[in-house]
Amino acid sequence: SQTIHQWPATLVQPVGSPLSLECTVEGTSNPNLYWYRQAAGRGLQLLFYSVGIGQISSEVPQNLSASRPQDRQFILSSKKLLLSDSGFYLCAWSGSKTSGGASSFLYFGPGTRLTVT
Amino acid sequence: GQQVMQIPQYQHVQEGEDFTTYCNSSTTLSNIQWYKQRPGGHPVFLIQLVKSGEVKKQKRLTFQFGEAKKNSSLHITATQTTDVGTYFCAGFSSGGSNYKLTFGKGTLLTVNP
Repeated sequence: SQTIHQWPATLVQPVGSPLSLECTVEGTSNPNLYWYRQAAGRGLQLLFYSVGIGQISSEVPQNLSASRPQDRQFILSSKKLLLSDSGFYLCAWSGSKTSGGASSFLYFGPGTRLTVT
Repeated sequence: GQQVMQIPQYQHVQEGEDFTTYCNSSTTLSNIQWYKQRPGGHPVFLIQLVKSGEVKKQKRLTFQFGEAKKNSSLHITATQTTDVGTYFCAGFSSGGSNYKLTFGKGTLLTVNP
């Protein structure tokens, strides 16, 4: 069965420090991968998605970046964190390459709660 | 760009009462998906509707997809404390990106036992 891992679960970082969040998926190949951010009490904001190794699409211009060095690994990074980067970061994957496909829904990881102080 | 709106933002009910959340898209959707996020947890997929006018049921939950494929609803009959959480709708814009799933802001349901 497929599983998705994210770490760390919680993180407290000072303003201006770098960030690296990692997400890995097991039990599937060539997944679509996603990074979402959820501010406290708010909805889900799509940050990046990737349909293959080295292919990254950015949805929101900001000081964050994403990379996909391996098929089932997705990394979210920042060189200098801002206070506004605080939030709940969720990695997700889907199996379908078409929007209406039977497996186009998302499986979310457990998330990382980031607090920038 | 595509926008997905959900109402109400919050809903508090007494256990046993019914609950409904509504989802409206600014564009026609190829499908609509519903997710539930328990407090402190991550969103979990509930169901996907694809056909115009489609209705699906999961025990006490009833999901509908509008005839124009621009709106949807989730109705819970006789709520229980286990129904507490935020319910999100999400959709792919018809003719848009195959990968960009746009989420509504969610409806937070609280249930008083």
